Amino acid sequence: NAGVTQTPKFQVLKTGQSMTLQCAQDMNHEYMSWYRQDPGMGLRLIHYSVGAGITDQGEVPNGYNVSRSTTEDFPLRLLSAAPSQTSVYFCASSYYDRGNEAFFGQGTRLTVV
Amino acid sequence: KNQVEQSPQSLIILEGKNCTLQCNYTVSPFSNLRWYKQDTGRGPVSLTIMTFSENTKSNGRYTATLDADTKQSSLHITASQLSDSASYICVVSLASGGSYIPTFGRGTSLIVHP
Repeated sequence: NAGVTQTPKFQVLKTGQSMTLQCAQDMNHEYMSWYRQDPGMGLRLIHYSVGAGITDQGEVPNGYNVSRSTTEDFPLRLLSAAPSQTSVYFCASSYYDRGNEAFFGQGTRLTVV
Repeated sequence: KNQVEQSPQSLIILEGKNCTLQCNYTVSPFSNLRWYKQDTGRGPVSLTIMTFSENTKSNGRYTATLDADTKQSSLHITASQLSDSASYICVVSLASGGSYIPTFGRGTSLIVHP
């Protein structure tokens, strides 16, 4: 059972470039979310989805887009990378109910130069 | 505003010693509280969940407590091992009527030295 798979694991971008971080889960979870983790800041919610075709903004959505065309996939797009987006990004999934265990991917370490 | 505060921010202990991590929250209405362990370079993994009616729950050498009246939780680690070196994150979820989105604490970084 693969769980939550994120790709790539590492990425270096130049300022202004765009890219997509991929996230896939095989647990048939309705709820998927993207977080960024910066030193001293903890995990901050970027965007989330409660099902295919439904997405919403989290705490820090600026500069990021998401879509959810299938239950399994939830890609995160950086439109025009900025150095402030240098971070570690985590995708998570869970059943859509209060307090359900979230399963996290291994993370993507992104550096924008 | 719903908040989750964890203390200490970081902690260094010797192998074999016990330690206690704290989590205070203002989340309301409260549904449940989870502790996650995040190893370096990995995603967080759930250790335990505490619901409103539970006071104590153990998972091996990890024991979580909850005082819903004072809105405090603690995670006690007994006989620490090198593999306990990680970040421990407290996450609180709201009850019916509130947002489904959980509130994350910033974590406590634990380092266990041999």
